[in-house]
Amino acid sequence: AQTVTQSQPEMSVQEAETVTLSCTYDTSESDYYLFWYKQPPSRQMILVIRQEAYKQQNATENRFSVNFQKAAKSFSLKISDSQLGDAAMYFCAYRSQTLTSGTYKYIFGTGTRLKVLA
Amino acid sequence: DTEVTQTPKHLVMGMTNKKSLKCEQHMGHRAMYWYKQKAKKPPELMFVYSYEKLSINESVPSRFSPECPNSSLLNLHLHALQPEDSALYLCASSQDRARGLGSPLHFGNGTRLTVT
Repeated sequence: AQTVTQSQPEMSVQEAETVTLSCTYDTSESDYYLFWYKQPPSRQMILVIRQEAYKQQNATENRFSVNFQKAAKSFSLKISDSQLGDAAMYFCAYRSQTLTSGTYKYIFGTGTRLKVLA
Repeated sequence: DTEVTQTPKHLVMGMTNKKSLKCEQHMGHRAMYWYKQKAKKPPELMFVYSYEKLSINESVPSRFSPECPNSSLLNLHLHALQPEDSALYLCASSQDRARGLGSPLHFGNGTRLTVT
């Protein structure tokens, strides 16, 4: 079974600085997707960035980028020029290959709470 | 604005009540999900519907009963709940069988349920 581990329960970053959130996973599959979701106090889960396993190029979305190390099964999120609005809970998620039912299964890590200091 | 709409936003119910949570999406997604989330924890999968058929039930107690009347709607019927069922209930949808799109989950804002 796949597992997702986020070893940092909480992180702090100064406004305008850069922070990296860690995520590791375990799987025997060769093709899969990885995601980072953000959940602010408003509680809606918002997609931050996605990475397909067979693409070697690291995904980037504006100030958000990932460092995807497939062999090491590592998928870290870098937030550059941190803003107060980045404060939230961040979840790393793994999406398995299609199950026999034709349905994907998403597995979430335990989350990292990011505080942004003014 | 969220593309997945959940109602109600808040619900308080007694252990003998029957209530329903509703979820609606109009993105043409054919997979819909119910998650339960306790405070400071990740979402836990409860049910998945694919093409309006239940495809995953994560051994959820029978006091939770899902229903997918059509491809846009997902309900969660609640009956005889326990206080420990108090949580945030999140609905999500995604494209299914859509390799290459990296179909993420699209979440609603959730229903905050309190069982007294």
